[in-house]
Amino acid sequence: EVQLVESGGGLVQPGGSLRLSCAVSGFTVSSNFMSWVRQAPGKGLEWVSVLYRGGSTYYADSVRGRFTISRDNSKNTLYLQMNSLRVEDTAVYYCARDHQTDYSDYWGQGTLVTVSS
Amino acid sequence: DIQMTQSPSTLSASVGDRVTITCRAGQNINTWLAWYQQKPGKAPKLLIYQASSLEGGAPSRFSGSGSGTEFTLTISSLQPEDVAIYYCQQYNANSPRSFGQGTKVEIK
Repeated sequence: EVQLVESGGGLVQPGGSLRLSCAVSGFTVSSNFMSWVRQAPGKGLEWVSVLYRGGSTYYADSVRGRFTISRDNSKNTLYLQMNSLRVEDTAVYYCARDHQTDYSDYWGQGTLVTVSS
Repeated sequence: DIQMTQSPSTLSASVGDRVTITCRAGQNINTWLAWYQQKPGKAPKLLIYQASSLEGGAPSRFSGSGSGTEFTLTISSLQPEDVAIYYCQQYNANSPRSFGQGTKVEIK
């Protein structure tokens, strides 16, 4: 059974850092394309970042230079390191498995990040 | 970046009604379009990919059509469990992925 379980969310002050984790079971992270998608409270979905199975990474303009996507193959886990956090980064963050570089076919349950003083 | 625009923003219909949601892309995306269903407090769930291919496990009352810049998601007979927000998403290779703003489907 495929499962993606996010963790690491919480309350952080503006300018602070947080690292999100996405523990995966049922498939191998390093053999797949993996994404992070976020959803601000009461708002729509926003794609954040993707990690290709070959190791290439891409980011939305809104987070480029502040966020870093990575994986630990030994732990079969995806990460999102978030630095220089802003109030507008407040959202539920979902990790997802992608079909190639296209759509996301499996999603985690999400973890809430709140950036506030 | 490619702008995706959905209409309507909210839709209210009766059980058994045929429901149609429209998604327009800011430029030609061929059939590089997916539809997701998101129920309250839950993660999005893939319904349709490649504009018209039904994801395994999705009910057959859901269908997608369109190409280029105009796409539709149709629910042939609305059921109470279909109450959700529906999002389209483009995945054109030359542009970052982007979502529509969502369409909320309610039961009248």
